[in-house]
Amino acid sequence: AQSVAQPEDQVNVAEGNPLTVKCTYSVSGNPYLFWYVQYPNRGLQFLLKYITGDNLVKGSYGFEAEFNKSQTSFHLKKPSALVSDSALYFCAVRSYNTDKLIFGTGTRLQVFP
Amino acid sequence: NAGVTQTPKFRVLKTGQSMTLLCAQDMNHEYMYWYRQDPGMGLRLIHYSVGEGTTAKGEVPDGYNVSRLKKQNFLLGLESAAPSQTSVYFCASKDPNYGYTFGSGTRLTVV
Repeated sequence: AQSVAQPEDQVNVAEGNPLTVKCTYSVSGNPYLFWYVQYPNRGLQFLLKYITGDNLVKGSYGFEAEFNKSQTSFHLKKPSALVSDSALYFCAVRSYNTDKLIFGTGTRLQVFP
Repeated sequence: NAGVTQTPKFRVLKTGQSMTLLCAQDMNHEYMYWYRQDPGMGLRLIHYSVGEGTTAKGEVPDGYNVSRLKKQNFLLGLESAAPSQTSVYFCASKDPNYGYTFGSGTRLTVV
């Protein structure tokens, strides 16, 4: 069975500092991994995805994520946080041989000025 | 504009009432999904469809039914609403490059 874990309910970071939002996954076979962001009262917006290839994936708004197969992780990172990055972030995984995209419980990122 | 459109955006139901949520996409995607979002639980898959005329169960299908009579539309039905179905419902479709596009959501309250 597929599963995703986001171990932190909330991450607090000062503006200008680097941020990391953690994600680990469990799937059989090769994973397809995604990060989405949700602003208040809005739908989910795509940030980035890993399907195959380079383990470091760059996405929208300066975010990036590193696929680590041995640690089954796909942490979201940004070198310098902005107050406007404050939102709810979701990690999601899909096994290559299924049609279902499974989400983590979400991590609320709070960036303080 | 291309995308996923959900109607209605808000709805209040009484326990036992029925309703249908409509999801429409104009991107010619084969795959469509219905999720519910609840605090602390993330998004959970209710039902999904891999093409016109097909449906399949997700993680939390009980109390819901779906239909995909046309490729562009994916309907989610509640036959007898319960307070436990109070949630925000999101529809999504998937393109061939594994990108998922989400609608803006339907906020449903069952009293």
